[in-house]
Formats: sequence, C-alpha cells, structure tokens
Amino acid sequence: EAQVTQNPRYLITVTGKKLTVTCSQNMNHEYMSWYRQDPGLGLRQIYYSMNVEVTDKGDVPEGYKVSRKEKRNFPLILESPSPNQTSLYFCASSGTGSNEKLFFGSGTQLSVL
Amino acid sequence: DQQVKQNSPSLSVQEGRISILNCDYTNSMFDYFLWYKKYPAEGPTFLISISSIKDKNEDGRFTVFLNKSAKHLSLHIVPSQPGDSAVYFCAASEDGGATNKLIFGTGTLLAVQP
Repeated sequence: EAQVTQNPRYLITVTGKKLTVTCSQNMNHEYMSWYRQDPGLGLRQIYYSMNVEVTDKGDVPEGYKVSRKEKRNFPLILESPSPNQTSLYFCASSGTGSNEKLFFGSGTQLSVL
Repeated sequence: DQQVKQNSPSLSVQEGRISILNCDYTNSMFDYFLWYKKYPAEGPTFLISISSIKDKNEDGRFTVFLNKSAKHLSLHIVPSQPGDSAVYFCAASEDGGATNKLIFGTGTLLAVQP
C-alpha cells in the first residue's frame, strides 16, 4: 500500500530536549516536505526536499532542521524545542512533475511543555 | 500576508443539500488549484484539482469552479452526505503546479447534519 509513515503519532516533551520525528514514504517520490497545522493558520510549510541531499527552507523554518540522506526518509529535528513549537505536524511527498498532488502522513501531535 | 484565504471557518449543511466552500487568492501567478479533505486524526487527502486554463472540473459529487478574474474558487458538493463532514483546505501553486510552492488556506470545517 502506497503511504507516508510518520512516527510517533503523539509526543510530549519538555523545553530544550532534542527530538526527532521520522517520516518515510514507499512511493519512490523525489519530493518530500514538512508542514505544521495551527488553529487559524492552516498548513504552513517548514522545510522541503526536492531530492536526496537537497533541502530548502519553507515559510516557517526557524527552530527546525531536516536531512535527506535517503530518498525514502525525511526526518524533522527539533534541536531545542520551545512551547511555540507545540503543533500538529505533517510529512508529505509527491513526484516532481507538473500538477502533482501531495500525499500526507497521518500527523504527529507534539506538545512542548 | 495570506495569499490563499478561506473566510468561513465553518459551515453546516443538511444531508442531501448542496455544500459550497469558498476560497480567495491574491497571487495572479497561481496556475493550479487543489482541494484537500482532512478527517480528525488523519492526514489531508487530495480531493480534486483544477488548472488555471479551465473554469470547472467535476468528479462525481464534487465540482470545483475557478473564477480567475475574481481570484476565487469554490468547491460544490452535491448531494452532501454525513461522511463529507471534515476540514477542507484549498491550496494553490504556481510554476505548473509545483508542489514545493503549494500554499494552503486556513481550512473550513464542514458539518453535514443527518
């Protein structure tokens, strides 16, 4: 089954404790990205990657890091989480042709205390 | 500055009636528009799209209309069913629908009452 898998689904942590949210896709997609969803703000792009070893900032990259060492994986790293990073996070992937559509993971609800 | 706006945070409709969800955009370079549907505890899933060279695209009960001069698109669901209750996001992109340039609206929560 074609899917984007994120882990964990839920995460509660404390300020400053480094964490990683994993994302993996099995569709051989070149493009992967991370979004956060906040009330009244919709989905905002954090980082994206057009292919292996190619990453770029989205609209809200501050406080986040990503890496793309393999085509299928695109982890999101919070080196020193803060309460304003409490949010619902989604990983997504797609091909890189015209008029592609994004496939999303099920989401990771993160709470930073 | 919000380039894609959904001004109605929520909408309630009776089963069997038409649901109309609206979306406005400001960037005239957008050339591809999509609607995504999101159920609680799930990720958004693609619903329907439209290219800027068209003004209408239909897929079963779902029709998207694009009015380029007004920079407005709408999603019509006819007839509405309780299973359509979800958050609907519109999204827009330029450069031939490049996904790295996809901008999402804030979402509209649709509730279809039995």
